[in-house]
Amino acid sequence: GAVVSQHPSRVICKSGTSVKIECRSLDFQATTMFWYRQFPKKSLMLMATSNEGSKATYEQGVEKDKFLINHASLTLSTLTVTSAHPEDSSFYICSAAPGKNIQYFGAGTRLSVL
Amino acid sequence: AQKITQTQPGMFVQEKEAVTLDCTYDTSDPSYGLFWYKQPSSGEMIFLIYQGSYDQQNATEGRYSLNFQKARKSANLVISASQLGDSAMYFCAMREVTYSGAGSYQLTFGKGTKLSVIP
Repeated sequence: GAVVSQHPSRVICKSGTSVKIECRSLDFQATTMFWYRQFPKKSLMLMATSNEGSKATYEQGVEKDKFLINHASLTLSTLTVTSAHPEDSSFYICSAAPGKNIQYFGAGTRLSVL
Repeated sequence: AQKITQTQPGMFVQEKEAVTLDCTYDTSDPSYGLFWYKQPSSGEMIFLIYQGSYDQQNATEGRYSLNFQKARKSANLVISASQLGDSAMYFCAMREVTYSGAGSYQLTFGKGTKLSVIP
């Protein structure tokens, strides 16, 4: 299957700092990528749809200024958690689809904000 | 109303036995896709199997098969000959067209079923 790389896999930061997470499609181009958040023992919640060359589409309740998404190329989308606080601690995972069907996921990023 | 319902929070199965994980869905879109993903404790989401709403036959991928009953709106995952490595969370998901202009197809996930394989 297609490969999606996500980096870093784990990050610990101080409250008030910003953290950038990268999501790359390694062997295909992705016009659209998706960012999810997962709380412990819970399901994946879609945060936003990242569109190459245009603004991301955020789900209801997700703060645009808090979670900045940039889709600079057909193989790279980044999620920046700005001014992170302990309540932002979570597992963030991205996905991309080489076509219109199967989404392939990155390995996820575990963010801990102290 | 939930779009994807997985009624089994946890399941146990004996090694080498078959197990069925339940999934029901709700949509008014005539064209949709159903997916199963496996999430081991490491966190990565591993694609297992896909079923399109217009597919005539049930999808199969190795030891995984999808029991697709369209009229009942169910898409149960069957794992045959369970292995210890099958112990993980399993998520059922549905894709509907979002009409957001960029050809994006969002996935909606169920709450998951934790499968434990007993030696």
